[in-house]
Amino acid sequence: SAVISQKPSRDICQRGTSLTIQCQVDSQVTMMFWYRQQPGQSLTLIATANQGSEATYESGFVIDKFPISRPNLTFSTLTVSNMSPEDSSIYLCSVRIAGSEAFFGQGTRLTVV
Amino acid sequence: DQQVKQNSPSLSVQEGRISILNCDYTNSMFDYFLWYKKYPAEGPTFLISISSIKDKNEDGRFTVFLNKSAKHLSLHIVPSQPGDSAVYFCAASSDSNYQLIWGAGTKLIIKP
Repeated sequence: SAVISQKPSRDICQRGTSLTIQCQVDSQVTMMFWYRQQPGQSLTLIATANQGSEATYESGFVIDKFPISRPNLTFSTLTVSNMSPEDSSIYLCSVRIAGSEAFFGQGTRLTVV
Repeated sequence: DQQVKQNSPSLSVQEGRISILNCDYTNSMFDYFLWYKKYPAEGPTFLISISSIKDKNEDGRFTVFLNKSAKHLSLHIVPSQPGDSAVYFCAASSDSNYQLIWGAGTKLIIKP
């Protein structure tokens, strides 16, 4: 199993600013995943973060808007840049070990005003 | 194109009865299926999974059934308890692919 500590748990931000979300895993993992869950919607994968290489972004998500860092095998950050109210969502980091179930952080509830 | 579909946005069940949550998929390459439960303001937590080599997996009050020919799986919760009220997501993956494909979720409400 894996325990993921994600912070902040929530934030209210002004439009045009940026927020960096951090995820710390209690074990070394190859891939970390960043998701967004907009109100009433399912989990949408933003990007996959591999240590030592650039993140792989899904369609509709770009590095300039959602830069990701993955400095080592236990840590990653996601930045939501130049925020607008449409970015108000829950952001989740996740890891999946050995092709089994995925583990999630507790999520960051972001409100952009 | 949604590869994993949960067609019921919500479901209301009497406490003590059986809750049945359904999930359909389109990609025949999926070989591993999972159910997650999510409370508000928390990340999803894993409930139960099933490999495509099986058609049933049981864990306490939770049973997942897989019908490969129909590309359909269901989660049965019996008996349903008030603490089961949450949003339930099904997810699927294909062999050695770490990425999970998620359904839209079903909000389960257990009535006392």
